[in-house]
Order: sequence, then structure tokens, then C-alpha cells
Amino acid sequence: AQSVTQLGSHVSVSEGALVLLRCNYSSSVPPYLFWYVQYPNQGLQLLLKYTTGATLVKGINGFEAEFKKSETSFHLTKPSAHMSDAAEYFCAVSGTNDYKLSFGAGTTVTVRA
Amino acid sequence: DTEVTQTPKHLVMGMTNKKSLKCEQHMGHRAMYWYKQKAKKPPELMFVYSYEKLSINESVPSRFSPECPNSSLLNLHLHALQPEDSALYLCASSPYPASGITGELFFGEGSRLTVL
Repeated sequence: AQSVTQLGSHVSVSEGALVLLRCNYSSSVPPYLFWYVQYPNQGLQLLLKYTTGATLVKGINGFEAEFKKSETSFHLTKPSAHMSDAAEYFCAVSGTNDYKLSFGAGTTVTVRA
Repeated sequence: DTEVTQTPKHLVMGMTNKKSLKCEQHMGHRAMYWYKQKAKKPPELMFVYSYEKLSINESVPSRFSPECPNSSLLNLHLHALQPEDSALYLCASSPYPASGITGELFFGEGSRLTVL
């Protein structure tokens, strides 16, 4: 079975500051890892994914994440926060032949002017 | 702009009503999903259709009845719901069949359901 833990239910950053959202996973098989974003009153949108290959993954809107097997982590970063980054962020994991995507509890990001 | 379209965006219904939520995608995806999301919580999987056949039912109560009329459409029929069923219902599709890399999902904006 796969699961993820998102550290910190709420992150507040200043506009222009680094955004760092932490995600640790547990998986009995090689994991597929994902970050999704949900803006207010909208559905989820895929930010980026790791399946195989390069461990540093670049996504949309300037976000990137690094898969670290030794640390079982998949943290999400963005060098400079923008007001439009205020949203709910979900880390998620699945595995080979796994029909189910397991979501973390989510992290709410607020951006201060 | 989302390529998965859900209607209606908002629905209010009584506990004795029958209503339906609709979802449509034109990306040629062969797997479609229904999720339920409560406020400030992650989405919870309800049903998975793969190649228009129901492949997964996550022990959802029978008052929720899914239907996949064709590869582009997914319905969720609602009957005799309870107030605790009030939530955001999300439809999603995937280019991979349900046995593949199942995490790459394309979500609609959701239908917000209120049961009185």
C-alpha cells in the first residue's frame, strides 16, 4: 500500500519568497508521485509528476520537485511566490498497477503582499 | 480552461429528490472517475470506469449510482441522499486505463451538492 504525509497543513509566505511544501511517501513498490493544486472553487490540476528517470521534475507555473529515494521525499518548491499561488496543494502517490491514487491531507498556501 | 466539463456547478436537493450529475470529456481518455471532496479534505475515490465498464466501486452506498453511457460521458445518479452527502463531487479522466499509471488525472471543476 502507498501513502503520503504532507508536513504542515498551512504555509504562509511573502510574495517573492521561496515556497517549500514538504511531502514524504511510503510505498512497497516503486512509487509514482504527483503534486496537484486546487484553487478556490475549482477542481484539481496536475502541477507535476515523477514516474521514472530524472529525479528533478519541473512542472507548470514555475514549480519543481525532487524525488529523493533515500529520504522517501518529494518536496515541492518555487523560488519566488506570487499572489496567484495561493491555493491548496496535494501530494499524491500511486504504484505500478495500482488503480488508486492516495492523496495527502493537503497544505494551504497563503501569500502575503 | 478545463477539458473535463461538469454540470451542474451547484445543486441543492431534498432527501427525497432524484437528481443527476453529469461529466463530459473529449480527450479520448478511457478511464473516468468520480471523487467526493469535503471542505479542507483531499478527494475520496468513489468509482472508476475503465473502457466504459465499472471497474472499481469503493464501497459507495447504493444511493449513489454511476453510469457511463459512452466513452465521453459519465453520470452520477443521486437518490435519497443524506445531509452528510453534501460535498464537492469531482469527475476526472485519465489517458491510462485503470490498471496503468493512475495518478495522472484531469479533473473537472466539480459539482457542489447541498442536501437539505
